[in-house]
Amino acid sequence: DAKTTQPPSMDCAEGRAANLPCNHSTISGNEYVYWYRQIHSQGPQYIIHGLKNNETNEMASLIITEDRKSSTLILPHATLRDTAVYYCFGGTSYGKLTFGQGTILTVHP
Amino acid sequence: DAGITQSPRYKITETGRQVTLMCHQTWSHSYMFWYRQDLGHGLRLIYYSAAADITDKGEVPDGYVVSRSKTENFPLTLESATRSQTSVYFCASSDGHLNTEAFFGQGTRLTVV
Repeated sequence: DAKTTQPPSMDCAEGRAANLPCNHSTISGNEYVYWYRQIHSQGPQYIIHGLKNNETNEMASLIITEDRKSSTLILPHATLRDTAVYYCFGGTSYGKLTFGQGTILTVHP
Repeated sequence: DAGITQSPRYKITETGRQVTLMCHQTWSHSYMFWYRQDLGHGLRLIYYSAAADITDKGEVPDGYVVSRSKTENFPLTLESATRSQTSVYFCASSDGHLNTEAFFGQGTRLTVV
């Protein structure tokens, strides 16, 4: 799995877009980029994944750079319930995850 | 109910006692995982299983035992609980494809006194 780097914390105003960056410069060609989040005291939750193209689902959008060395998770209209720790992964090896510290996103009223 | 469930949700046990945490999934996922999360830290992999009767160590396996006699169940046993095993334990499962998502349970908060 690729090594990833994320900022330790970010703030966002409620209703605004939250853009969470992730660097995964060592990602290999067949490894997907995955994002999960962990809301306080709950189990981690899958958000989205992608290989090369940008992806969107009901929760978020994922923008992957052309060289695939970095990506951005976008929560288009952040709410207080989006306050969580967000984890980026490069490849998941059959679902086995190696957690880093992630980014603590705090959404303010 | 479909999904992945852990039991109990909360457990207090005494040092030296044996305790088993249960994990059950209804998807027939081949892979199952146990993680622990200590206060203020990320999740660390304890053990995982690729299929029934196949288990392997993760990052922090010492003091834990697992078994997988049925695909849907993956119990985690602390044979002689220690205070350092006070933690929140999360079970997860995946379908075993190379690049796939994992689904997590709600966790078991274990306190060893």
